[in-house]
Amino acid sequence: EADIYQTPRYLVIGTGKKITLECSQTMGHDKMYWYQQDPGMELHLIHYSYGVNSTEKGDLSSESTVSRIRTEHFPLTLESARPSHTSQYLCASSEQGSSDTQYFGPGTRLTVL
Amino acid sequence: AQSVTQLGSHVSVSEGALVLLRCNYSSSVPPYLFWYVQYPNQGLQLLLKYTSAATLVKGINGFEAEFKKSETSFHLTKPSAHMSDAAEYFCAVSSGFQKLVFGTGTRLLVSP
Repeated sequence: EADIYQTPRYLVIGTGKKITLECSQTMGHDKMYWYQQDPGMELHLIHYSYGVNSTEKGDLSSESTVSRIRTEHFPLTLESARPSHTSQYLCASSEQGSSDTQYFGPGTRLTVL
Repeated sequence: AQSVTQLGSHVSVSEGALVLLRCNYSSSVPPYLFWYVQYPNQGLQLLLKYTSAATLVKGINGFEAEFKKSETSFHLTKPSAHMSDAAEYFCAVSSGFQKLVFGTGTRLLVSP
């Protein structure tokens, strides 16, 4: 099972601020993912990466951006946060040839005032 | 395209009763299927997965699921519910391209 970490766990910020949500995994997984989840709702894939220097947009359009400079690190950035960005953000990773099993971090709950 | 339908956004059972959470899938290729559990303010934890080996899959915490190709189903069961089972449960199917498609989730409520 993957060890995958997200910081901060909770964040309350004002409109217009730039924020970065951190995600790190220690298992050397090539693939990493970001999901957005509103309370009591399904998960929507917003970004994914197949490896270093690889990033792709997911099924749900998002104003956030991601980078993958190191295998273990997949941060998500919002240049100018808005109340519509209020949500839970979940990071996941998976190993090549693992039947697509994804392992999730604990999530970051973002509130934009 | 792959998709998942979870019947019932909420399921209520009494402690000690059978738990049955329903999941039907649509897939153009032999699927990988998953059940995840999410406790409040936490990420998703893998309960079990089907990868074309045995059709009856046993997972953690006493849960199991049976893959039925003829019914395109992958229902999750547990013989006896515990209070600690109260959570949100998500069924997912691999869409290929190393991505998962999730259902809308079923909230399991367990009463004493």
